[in-house]
Amino acid sequence: GQQLNQSPQSMFIQEGEDVSMNCTSSSIFNTWLWYKQEPGEGPVLLIALYKAGELTSNGRLTAQFGITRKDSFLNISASIPSDVGIYFCAGQLENTNAGKSTFGDGTTLTVKP
Amino acid sequence: NAGVMQNPRHLVRRRGQEARLRCSPMKGHSHVYWYRQLPEEGLKFMVYLQKENIIDESGMPKERFSAEFPKEGPSILRIQQVVRGDSAAYFCASSPRTSGRSYNEQFFGPGTRLTVL
Repeated sequence: GQQLNQSPQSMFIQEGEDVSMNCTSSSIFNTWLWYKQEPGEGPVLLIALYKAGELTSNGRLTAQFGITRKDSFLNISASIPSDVGIYFCAGQLENTNAGKSTFGDGTTLTVKP
Repeated sequence: NAGVMQNPRHLVRRRGQEARLRCSPMKGHSHVYWYRQLPEEGLKFMVYLQKENIIDESGMPKERFSAEFPKEGPSILRIQQVVRGDSAAYFCASSPRTSGRSYNEQFFGPGTRLTVL
């Protein structure tokens, strides 16, 4: 089946620093989604990307849909303690009407005040 | 507009018992997805349902697991004769699947954490 490689697996940063994480796939996706999950909760959608090359922002978050359609990255600028959590990328396959998502294994972000 | 609701939030079962997990999608959403998450891992797709229809169950084990989304009421994920390996967090997501930019966006519930003793 399809696999997403998400990196890094974890990050420990100082408050105020910028963060970058990415996902790569062996398959083409037509949609990339970025989620944040906090302990004991479900994933919350942060950004959705629908076109190759698309760059979309949501506050301090910026995500891009790679030109090859096989990768995506998420940047967080000027991190704050509430950014702590697990960030997941998810891709949806080309030519499917099922809409099911394939998830990466997550990037755990720790922000030190 | 209430979000996706799941209950129970925590469920403890002994080996061999049945587990029933419920999911009420967001208002206006008629597409429901179930995912399973093991510790330290991402979510794994199990099944996709529309009202009264299973569209894709390619991620669901063939035995002991079943899902339904009746015309009235919540979607149910049912696990019969549970084993320790079924212990996981089970998440439900709903989607409007209407035309437009949000076509593929899925909104998740808080999950049900199943523990099999």
